[in-house]
This record gives sequence, C-alpha cells and structure tokens, in this order.
Amino acid sequence: SAVISQKPSRDICQRGTSLTIQCQVDSQVTMMFWYRQQPGQSLTLIATANQGSEATYESGFVIDKFPISRPNLTFSTLTVSNMSPEDSSIYLCSVVGREGPDTGELFFGEGSRLTVL
Amino acid sequence: DAKTTQPTSMDCAEGRAANLPCNHSTISGNEYVYWYRQIHSQGPQYIIHGLKNNETNEMASLIITEDRKSSTLILPHATLRDTAVYYCIVRPMNSGGYQKVTFGTGTKLQVIP
Repeated sequence: SAVISQKPSRDICQRGTSLTIQCQVDSQVTMMFWYRQQPGQSLTLIATANQGSEATYESGFVIDKFPISRPNLTFSTLTVSNMSPEDSSIYLCSVVGREGPDTGELFFGEGSRLTVL
Repeated sequence: DAKTTQPTSMDCAEGRAANLPCNHSTISGNEYVYWYRQIHSQGPQYIIHGLKNNETNEMASLIITEDRKSSTLILPHATLRDTAVYYCIVRPMNSGGYQKVTFGTGTKLQVIP
C-alpha cells in the first residue's frame, strides 16, 4: 500500500485568496489524482497529474482555477485559486497502489478540509 | 466507467453480516468491480476487487453474479467501526493508460449496537 500525506489537513480561508495543498507519497508513482468532495456529496475527480506533463482536467475544472504541479514522482500540489464559499470542500489526493495489468486499487490521503468565508 | 446503482442507506446489527448490493448491468468484459469505503472525516479506503470470481480478504468477501451484472459486498461480522459510506465502482483493467475512477453516491451503512 501507499502512504499519502496531505497538508494542510484543514484551513479556513478568506474569499478571494488562494491556497495550495500538498500531497506527499512514500513511493514513486506515475499518476496522482486530485478529487473534491463537497459537503454531503460523493467524490468528484478534478484532474490527473502525471509527472513531466500537464495535468489532465475533468469537465468543469480548469487549470486557471485549480493549477496543479507534479515536480517529481512522489509529490504534487493543487492550488485552489480565487476562492469563494462554493469551494468549501474536502480535497483528496489519490494514487494507484500498484501499476501494471490486473491492478489499480486507489489509495487516498486523509484529505484537506477547506472552509471559505 | 460503467455506472453502478446502490441503495442509499442500510442498517445492520452489530455482529451480524452486512450484505451490500450493487448493480452494474452495463459492465464490460474487461471491467473490474471495486469496493471502497469512507469512514466519516477520512479518505476512502480500498476494500476488495474482483473480475468474475468471488473474492475474499481479511476485510470482506465479494460475490459477483455469473452474468456479472451485480455484486454483493459481505462484511461477515459487522462492528460499529464498519459504519461508513460504501462505494461500488467498475473500472477497466489497467492497460497502462488513463485510469480515471468515478465514484457514485454509495451506500451509507449504519451498524447498530
């Protein structure tokens, strides 16, 4: 299994500001995924972050709002830009536990709970 | 990813088996069934996955029907710590390409003392 650490675990932010969430994995992984979980809702994939290439964003999410960095195989950041109260959510980092055929279970960090006032 | 249908919520008495159903009638031949759970305020946790055979691990058993259109996750002796939202997901076999996973709304399991 992969151990994933996220920082911050929670934060309260002011409208209009930006916050960067860090995700550190204890092993090298090709793909990392960022999810959002709005209050009382399921998880929604924001983007897939591959090392050495631009992140791939899902419909409804854009790079200007959620810029992602992936400088190496164990680390990624997600920035939530120009925040509004609607961005209040838990943001989760995820990786595939093993890579190759017949694999694919995801491992998640504990999440970063953002509250925007 | 194929879509799945799960009951919104279920109750189970502590110590009894919890049987969580999932319908995935549009599943393709190369798609696995995965189960995750999310305990309140934590990140989702992988439980088990299978292709067509029944699977068992230290956490649960997965029963997949012969036509693969539905499955059941079984927690043999539910405890209060099993109270969580359980997600059933289908996704293609890892071909080395894109591995997007889509979460549905899941089943909220409440284990009752």
